[in-house]
Amino acid sequence: AQTVTQSQPEMSVQEAETVTLSCTYDTSESNYYLFWYKQPPSRQMILVIRQEAYKQQNATENRFSVNFQKAAKSFSLKISDSQLGDTAMYFCAFMKYNNNDMRFGAGTRLTVKP
Amino acid sequence: DTGVSQDPRHKITKRGQNVTFRCDPISEHNRLYWYRQTLGQGPEFLTYFQNEAQLEKSRLLSDRFSAERPKGSFSTLEIQRTEQGDSAMYLCASSAQGTKLFFGSGTQLSVL
Repeated sequence: AQTVTQSQPEMSVQEAETVTLSCTYDTSESNYYLFWYKQPPSRQMILVIRQEAYKQQNATENRFSVNFQKAAKSFSLKISDSQLGDTAMYFCAFMKYNNNDMRFGAGTRLTVKP
Repeated sequence: DTGVSQDPRHKITKRGQNVTFRCDPISEHNRLYWYRQTLGQGPEFLTYFQNEAQLEKSRLLSDRFSAERPKGSFSTLEIQRTEQGDSAMYLCASSAQGTKLFFGSGTQLSVL
């Protein structure tokens, strides 16, 4: 079974600074996808970034980037130039290739302070 | 693109009652998912539809739960004989081909 672990229940960062959220996962699969989702108080889950396991290059989306370490089964999210609107719950998620059961971690509550 | 719509946004019911939630996916999306999220946890997969066919069901989906997507468009999730443990947020998501899921804002269920 696949499990996703987020070891930081809460984090805070000053506006304009950089923060890194951690995620580890456990799987015996070689092909899979990893995701970071953001859930603001509005409750709607929003995809932040996606990584295919077969790609060695780390995904980036504007101020968001990941550090994907396949051998270590680690998938951290770096948020640069943090903004107040980044305040939200962040969930790391795993999906096997050709499967539809997306597994989520327990989340990290990020607060960006002015 | 109006996004994924869920109705109702909140539902309060008494233990033992039946409840039904509705999800309207993004119109061109043929894949639809239901998840359950309890306080302090990430969403847990319940079931998946491709068009009108229910292709996957989690063990979490007990026989009191049933989901349908009769015409491959909107979907309903019904919980019969609700229990206090069913209190959670029920999230719907849809996608076209690929792994990018678009989520609705969820239905928050409280069972008294």
